[in-house]
Amino acid sequence: KAGVTQTPRYLIKTRGQQVTLSCSPISGHRSVSWYQQTPGQGLQFLFEYFSETQRNKGNFPGRFSGRQFSNSRSEMNVSTLELGDSALYLCASSLALPGLEPGELFFGEGSRLTVL
Amino acid sequence: AQSVSQHNHHVILSEAASLELGCNYSYGGTVNLFWYVQYPGQHLQLLLKYFSGDPLVKGIKGFEAEFIKSKFSFNLRKPSVQWSDTAEYFCAVTSRYNQGGKLIFGQGTELSVKP
Repeated sequence: KAGVTQTPRYLIKTRGQQVTLSCSPISGHRSVSWYQQTPGQGLQFLFEYFSETQRNKGNFPGRFSGRQFSNSRSEMNVSTLELGDSALYLCASSLALPGLEPGELFFGEGSRLTVL
Repeated sequence: AQSVSQHNHHVILSEAASLELGCNYSYGGTVNLFWYVQYPGQHLQLLLKYFSGDPLVKGIKGFEAEFIKSKFSFNLRKPSVQWSDTAEYFCAVTSRYNQGGKLIFGQGTELSVKP
């Protein structure tokens, strides 16, 4: 079956702009998580959505937001971009049903954002 | 706060050498533990996981990891590495009672295997 799909794969923005990244999870997966990967900070959890509701949130400023649609597809938005937002943004999906063990995360290839 | 520490930033080995990558976590409660691998140009994928039971878990491609609760460690091992094991390896932890996709990752260890 198809894996996690992220678009766009690469993008360049300038400071102050905003960006929207998209993620299509594996069919049947209802949980979508977002991570920021940078050489200095590694992989940091941004937020997780399950059934269109934010279920967990990391320690990022309010400029970072997300949403999930009824078909489980998710978007994340970063407003007022800063140079430090340059990173690889990874989306991961999982079954993660309530009452079950946290499941295996299936990652997409990421969206590489460069902020100039 | 939860945290994960991977001791080695970059490890260089020759083929057939044995591998052990260290991982220590900081968390006061019951945890689930994972090792993920990222091969060059590919997405992150699960290598192995520990939820409960036998503390020695086996994963794909001959990797195994041992959970030592008293040491808060979950070290990754492979008796004989191959050139194709060249990749970045990430240890991750989550609360046993966390639902869903919130994992705390270590900084990663880059493994280079020389043919």
